[in-house]
Amino acid sequence: EAGVAQSPRYKIIEKRQSVAFWCNPISGHATLYWYQQILGQGPKLLIQFQNNGVVDDSQLPKDRFSAERLKGVDSTLKIQPAKLEDSAVYLCASSWGEPSSYNEQFFGPGTRLTVL
Amino acid sequence: GENVEQHPSTLSVQEGDSAVIKCTYSDSASNYFPWYKQELGKGPQLIIDIRSNVGEKKDQRIAVTLNKTAKHFSLHITETQPEDSAVYFCAASMKSGTSYGKLTFGQGTILTVHP
Repeated sequence: EAGVAQSPRYKIIEKRQSVAFWCNPISGHATLYWYQQILGQGPKLLIQFQNNGVVDDSQLPKDRFSAERLKGVDSTLKIQPAKLEDSAVYLCASSWGEPSSYNEQFFGPGTRLTVL
Repeated sequence: GENVEQHPSTLSVQEGDSAVIKCTYSDSASNYFPWYKQELGKGPQLIIDIRSNVGEKKDQRIAVTLNKTAKHFSLHITETQPEDSAVYFCAASMKSGTSYGKLTFGQGTILTVHP
């Protein structure tokens, strides 16, 4: 079974620029998550989708971050404009069932973003 | 919201020794507690989990214990091997009610196993 795919793996931009990350979850997984992992910390949930609907985006800084999951499969996370404090690894995860289920979350390798 | 505290932040052991990582959580409604292992350059991977109706769970060399009264849970690794070296994260979630099952992670423990 192929894992969660993410691209790019690394991205370096200057502050105030825009950036987008892409995630392809495991086939058949209905729930998709985006996490932000700042160096030395645990992942923090930004947004979670059930199919193509948002079920929780309470920790997403909506003035600069946006995410979509068209057709309930792939997802993109965008930052516009980026700030220095956005430097982090952005992890995508997916799981088979609903967010309230006990299904395992499978993580992708992440995209390491550096904002200069 | 939920808050998860994890200790220690770094742990160094000799191969063959045991390692223990401890976490506390704040919300008594949390009822699902997974542990993840993250190797360099990779995403976290689930290694074991426990639900609130169970006090202990074991899987070969790893075990997790849960004390609901104290809101405390721990990861135990026995007979450690160099390949156990990684960052370990605990997490807590509410898998019931109106919650959407959001995972709140601890800060992580860097485990180093010396040959």
